[in-house]
Parts: sequence; C-alpha cells; structure tokens
Amino acid sequence: SQKIEQNSEALNIQEGKTATLTCNYTNYSPAYLQWYRQDPGRGPVFLLLIRENEKEKRKERLKVTFDTTLKQSLFHITASQPADSATYLCALEASGTYKYIFGTGTRLKVLA
Amino acid sequence: NAGVTQTPKFQVLKTGQSMTLQCAQDMNHNSMYWYRQDPGMGLRLIYYSASEGTTDKGEVPNGYNVSRLNKREFSLRLESAAPSQTSVYFCASRDPGPPNEKLFFGSGTQLSVL
Repeated sequence: SQKIEQNSEALNIQEGKTATLTCNYTNYSPAYLQWYRQDPGRGPVFLLLIRENEKEKRKERLKVTFDTTLKQSLFHITASQPADSATYLCALEASGTYKYIFGTGTRLKVLA
Repeated sequence: NAGVTQTPKFQVLKTGQSMTLQCAQDMNHNSMYWYRQDPGMGLRLIYYSASEGTTDKGEVPNGYNVSRLNKREFSLRLESAAPSQTSVYFCASRDPGPPNEKLFFGSGTQLSVL
C-alpha cells in the first residue's frame, strides 16, 4: 500500500543544536516533496520544496535532502531556536494527480 | 490579502444534523482541497478539485460531499453528521508556481458532533 511516514514521537532538542526530521514514503514516485510547518490551532504553512533531481535545498537555517533510492527526505533546522517549536509535515503529490498526501507530522520542541 | 478563508471557525452538531463548510480563495488558484486532521492521523485528504468543474475523492470521502461552486469557492457538506466526523477541517488551494508548487491553507474549522 502507499504510505508516507514520519516519526510520530515528539523530538526535543536543546537550543542551538541541529534538529533532523525524517520522512519516508513507499509505493509513490513523486516528482517533488514538500515540507510544511504547523503551529497549534493554525493551518500548515509551506516551507520548502525539493525536486527529484535535487539532492539538497537550503533556505536560511533550513536544509532538505531527497534520496529517491532510499525513498526518504531529511529536514534539518540548524542553530535551532525555541521559536522553531512546531509540528513539521512532509507532503508529496501523487504523480501528477494534483492529489497531495501528507505524513502524520513530527512535533519538535526546542528547549531554551 | 485574505488568502484562503474558511467559515465557520467552530461548530457543534448533533448526530444526524447536516451542515456545509464554506471555503473561498482570492488567489485565482485552479485547484482546491479539503482535509481533516485528527490527533495522531495527520492531514487526510477528503476531496479535491483539480480545476473548476471537477471534483475527485481523496483518502476518506465517505460521509461527505463537495461542490466547486466557481473558481473561488469549494464547499464541503456533511449530510448526516456522525461522531466519527468530529475533527478539524482545513481547506487549501494550490499555487502552481513557479518557482514552487505549494498549498495555502485556511485557518481551519473545529467541528464537534455529539
């Protein structure tokens, strides 16, 4: 069956460290993968998109990698801050269908 | 610059009642979506509309109907609400880019079915 999985356990890290979140998918062949941030009581907000022919994408303190062989994306936040505390969701479009499927999200808490 | 607007923000229904969740976007996007979000389940796609005049089922369509009224508006209807439909509902629209294809979400509707 088709699945997109993220570590459902919360991730607690110390301020200033790098947070690494994982997204794995099975039985999809996405042309790109997206990452969103969701704060409590609010809708998700788009952060980054990485395409299948890109190994890595950066935006300020954020970095995303995409390994189509492993069917995995890693999302890194460097020099993390308490304001980075949120739930992070990965998503993909099921092969040109306009159908966007989301992972369950990983809750990140950055401790001061 | 409103983006995606959902109404109502909160609703309490009794089992068997019906209601329509409204969604409108002002970004001239072609594609629109309805998701539900439950604890531990993430966002699950209920229905989507790739373009005006088309709608398709997502992962969890049972118990719901949708109407793409025009390019701006996409409504979700619960004909006979059940407690299992207690959830937070999000509407989204798709920016095709460039440079990035991405979804813009509304602020959500918290629905409780008693």
